Amino acid sequence: GESVGLHLPTLSVQEGDNSIINCAYSNSASDYFIWYKQESGKGPQFIIDIRSNMDKRQGQRVTVLLNKTVKHLSLQIAATQPGDSAVYFCAENIRTSYDKVIFGPGTSLSVIP
Amino acid sequence: EPEVTQTPSHQVTQMGQEVILHCVPISNHLYFYWYRQILGQKVEFLVSFYNNEISEKSEIFDDQFSVERPDGSNFTLKIRSTKLEDSAMYFCASRRDSKEAFFGQGTRLTVV
Repeated sequence: GESVGLHLPTLSVQEGDNSIINCAYSNSASDYFIWYKQESGKGPQFIIDIRSNMDKRQGQRVTVLLNKTVKHLSLQIAATQPGDSAVYFCAENIRTSYDKVIFGPGTSLSVIP
Repeated sequence: EPEVTQTPSHQVTQMGQEVILHCVPISNHLYFYWYRQILGQKVEFLVSFYNNEISEKSEIFDDQFSVERPDGSNFTLKIRSTKLEDSAMYFCASRRDSKEAFFGQGTRLTVV
């Protein structure tokens, strides 16, 4: 079946350091992956996405890496700031259905000032 | 910037009562979703809606649940005969095509 999971449920980093949040997925039919950020009391907010024909994509201070061989996804945040404190979810779309986005369990990122 | 709007932000209801959660998706979007998030847990897919019908639903979305797009702008989730375990944040989302979904701020449903 489909499942998306995270290696680390919580992560604490010093302000200014880089953060790496990891995610494993099991469905080889997944071809589109998204990272969402959820701040307390708010809905998930899109950060960055990547399609399965790519292995790296960069945004502003964020980079997503995709390793299809081991079905692993990571989100790198450069120069982590207090405003980055949130729960981060990876999510996947499977190739045969853009009707459903499956979320992983989430990693809580805490930035220490 | 266009956004998905959900009302109410918080709904308290007695067990056994019916509730309707409201959403206004982004206007040019074609796919609509409801998700549920029990406190401290992950975001769970409930249902997707496309071309005026349910396109996919999860095992959570049983006969107790229904969705409707009554007037071309609103997208509602009805929960009949609510149970205590229905207490959660309910998120509406919409997307235009095969890109990211945009989420509303959620409705916190508390069943007492």
